[in-house]
Formats: sequence, structure tokens, C-alpha cells
Amino acid sequence: AQRVTQPEKLLSVFKGAPVELKCNYSYSGSPELFWYVQYSRQRLQLLLRHISRESIKGFTADLNKGETSFHLKKPFAQEEDSAMYYCALSGGDSGGFKTIFGAGTRLFVKA
Amino acid sequence: GAGVSQSPRYKVAKRGQDVALRCDPISGHVSLFWYQQALGQGPEFLTYFQNEAQLDKSGLPSDRFFAERPEGSVSTLKIQRTQQEDSAVYLCASSLLPRSLSDSGANVLTFGAGSRLTVL
Repeated sequence: AQRVTQPEKLLSVFKGAPVELKCNYSYSGSPELFWYVQYSRQRLQLLLRHISRESIKGFTADLNKGETSFHLKKPFAQEEDSAMYYCALSGGDSGGFKTIFGAGTRLFVKA
Repeated sequence: GAGVSQSPRYKVAKRGQDVALRCDPISGHVSLFWYQQALGQGPEFLTYFQNEAQLDKSGLPSDRFFAERPEGSVSTLKIQRTQQEDSAVYLCASSLLPRSLSDSGANVLTFGAGSRLTVL
């Protein structure tokens, strides 16, 4: 069965500090991994996906198939990064049409 | 339209009432998804349409939940005889291309603002 686990419900860091939001997954086959973000009073939106291998707003995420992880990282957090972050997975076994979300991690960047 | 539109934004229902939630996806988007998001949780998959065909309804929690997309554009999620545990935000998302296991990169979801349902 497909599953996405985000072990931290809340992560609080100071502005300028590095941040890492953890995501682990279970899958069967070749999944596609995503990070979605929801800023205050805004819609859930795509932040980045692993196949793009790009940096968005300074965030990067590397897919580690050996550890089945897709942690989101940023070297220097900004106050505007404060938001709810969801790791998501799609593809694999019979779940190809679904995107499965983790429970989310709230990032709070303090001044 | 410019984005995914959902209505109503807020709905308060008495237990036992029927409710209908509407989703108007981005024009031309083939795929449409419904998710349920309870307080403090991530979105939980309910059902998926490709055009007018409902290809996956495995996430619908009971037979009180019914979704349709008769003309392949607007979709309605109907909940009959609402219960308190149905209280949640219902999210609709659409994507441009049909999904397949080999369709890598085509499944980026664009979400609506959600419909918040409160059952008293």
C-alpha cells in the first residue's frame, strides 16, 4: 500500500537558519514525489516535484530510493516560508490515478 | 476559467441533511479529483474522473457519498444524510492530462479553495 509519512507536525526555526522537512514513503513500483505548500489564506499549490530536479524559492528535495525519503530542504529560511507543507506521492502499483498526501508539517519561521 | 472554482465556500448542515458541493475545473482539464481534508490532516483521496468517467471511487467513505461529472467538466460531490464526522474541507483539483502509470510529470494538481462543511 502507498503511504506518505511526515513525522513532524510543527517545525519552528529562526530566520536564516537551515530547514529540513522530512518525508518518508512506502510504494510499489516507481512513484512520483511532490511537495505542495499552502500559505495562509491561500490554496494548496505545487512547490516542486522530484522529476524536475529544480529549486523553487530556494527549496530543493532529493529522492532517496534506498531510504524511501524525499526531504525538503532550504539553507536559509525566510519569514515568508512560513506555511503548511505536504509531501505527496502518485503512481506505483494500482494507485496510478491517485495522489496520496502526508499529514503535513507546519513550518514557522521566527524573526 | 482562471482557476478551479468551488461552491459553496462554506456550508452548515444539520445532521441528516443532504448537501451538494460543486467544482468547476480549469477549462480543458481532463482529470478531476475530490479530496476530503479533516482538521489537522492532509487531504484524503475520495474519487477521480477522467472526462465524464469515474475511474476510481475507492476513497469514498460510504455509500452516502456520490460524485458525478456528467459532461466532463463541472463535477458535483453529494453527501446524503450528513453525519458529524463528515465535517471537513472538501477539495477539488484538476489536471490537464489523463493519468497513466507511464505519464510521468502529467499529474500536477491545481486545487480549488475548498468547500468547508460543518455538520451540526
